Amino acid sequence: AQSVTQLDSQVPVFEEAPVELRCNYSSSVSVYLFWYVQYPNQGLQLLLKYLSGSTLVKGINGFEAEFNKSQTSFHLRKPSVHISDTAEYFCAVSARRGYSTLTFGKGTMLLVSP
Amino acid sequence: DSGVTQTPKHLITATGQRVTLRCSPRSGDLSVYWYQQSLDQGLQFLIHYYNGEERAKGNILERFSAQQFPDLHSELNLSSLELGDSALYFCASSVARMGSPDTQYFGPGTRLTVL
Repeated sequence: AQSVTQLDSQVPVFEEAPVELRCNYSSSVSVYLFWYVQYPNQGLQLLLKYLSGSTLVKGINGFEAEFNKSQTSFHLRKPSVHISDTAEYFCAVSARRGYSTLTFGKGTMLLVSP
Repeated sequence: DSGVTQTPKHLITATGQRVTLRCSPRSGDLSVYWYQQSLDQGLQFLIHYYNGEERAKGNILERFSAQQFPDLHSELNLSSLELGDSALYFCASSVARMGSPDTQYFGPGTRLTVL
């Protein structure tokens, strides 16, 4: 079984500032890692995913994440946020074997203000 | 637009009633996943169907059931509804090969309110 912990339920930040959203996971098997974003009143959209290879993964909208196996973390970063980045961000894992059922964290609400 | 459609967008019903939520996957996707999103439980996996067959079950109550039809659309049936069943229900689809990191594409969700 897998579990995902997103350490911050809310992260307030000013426009053009950098941001890091933290994610730690626990699993007895090897996993794939994902970040999804949910804009208000919308479904989830994939930001990026880590499958293998380079531990630094680049996604859409200028986001990137770094996989750290020893710390079982997959933190999401953006060097300069925009108002339009205000949304809820979900970290998720799926087991490498079997079908890709996702286990999600509780989500982090990113609040960008001018 | 993910290509996944869900109907209805909103549903308001009373306790004890039964409702059916419908999902049409993206063209070519064989897998359908159902998730429930609530304030207290977050996003929870309910059930996965692949090409008409049930493949995995998550935290799905016995009062809930699902099926995937030959045309690959799926329906989630919720019965004997309780106040606590009020939530956003998402459907996602993917090509879903075993051991493959397929991206799941999410629909816009159905918001269920039980009064």
